[in-house]
Amino acid sequence: GNSVTQMEGPVTLSEEAFLTINCTYTATGYPSLFWYVQYPGEGLQLLLKATKADDKGSNKGFEATYRKETTSFHLEKGSVQVSDSAVYFCALSKGGATNKLIFGTGTLLAVQP
Amino acid sequence: SAVISQKPSRDICQRGTSLTIQCQVDSQVTMMFWYRQQPGQSLTLIATANQGSEATYESGFVIDKFPISRPNLTFSTLTVSNMSPEDSSIYLCSARQGARYEQYFGPGTRLTVT
Repeated sequence: GNSVTQMEGPVTLSEEAFLTINCTYTATGYPSLFWYVQYPGEGLQLLLKATKADDKGSNKGFEATYRKETTSFHLEKGSVQVSDSAVYFCALSKGGATNKLIFGTGTLLAVQP
Repeated sequence: SAVISQKPSRDICQRGTSLTIQCQVDSQVTMMFWYRQQPGQSLTLIATANQGSEATYESGFVIDKFPISRPNLTFSTLTVSNMSPEDSSIYLCSARQGARYEQYFGPGTRLTVT
């Protein structure tokens, strides 16, 4: 079946460090891929998305490239800030009539000043 | 993007009672969904709320426990029935617009059952 695997956290970085959160997926066909962010005490916000192979999603300095050959969608940011501290969820959607989102387990990022 | 609000934002309930959570979207949407996020866990889809018909439930979730209504294209409710402490979770509503694949989420309802 369809699934998403994320690197386990927590990930602890110093401010201005480089961030990578790994995400790989299992799915038939060509799913759409997403990164959502959940700040403490809040709901999920869509961070970025990619709908086909080699697409790069980007937002707020975060980037992720849809790599079909490695079934990956790793999240990167060149210089993290304390305000980036949150839980990051990778997700996929196969679309279709119901468009279910399948989430990874989430990765907690803690950025220290 | 759609802006989604939920009520209540949090509640503490007694075992055996029921709670109805409301989800309001600021525009008409084709699909609405209800998720559960247990403490420290990822999100699990409970059901898809269909306008004008019964909700479609995922494996492990049943209508008697989680009845859902969707009377129009901007509103849905989820009831958590006959609650037990195991139902303590964050319940999130989401919506999808038209043919777009992304879903937008409400802020969640934090439920504690004692």
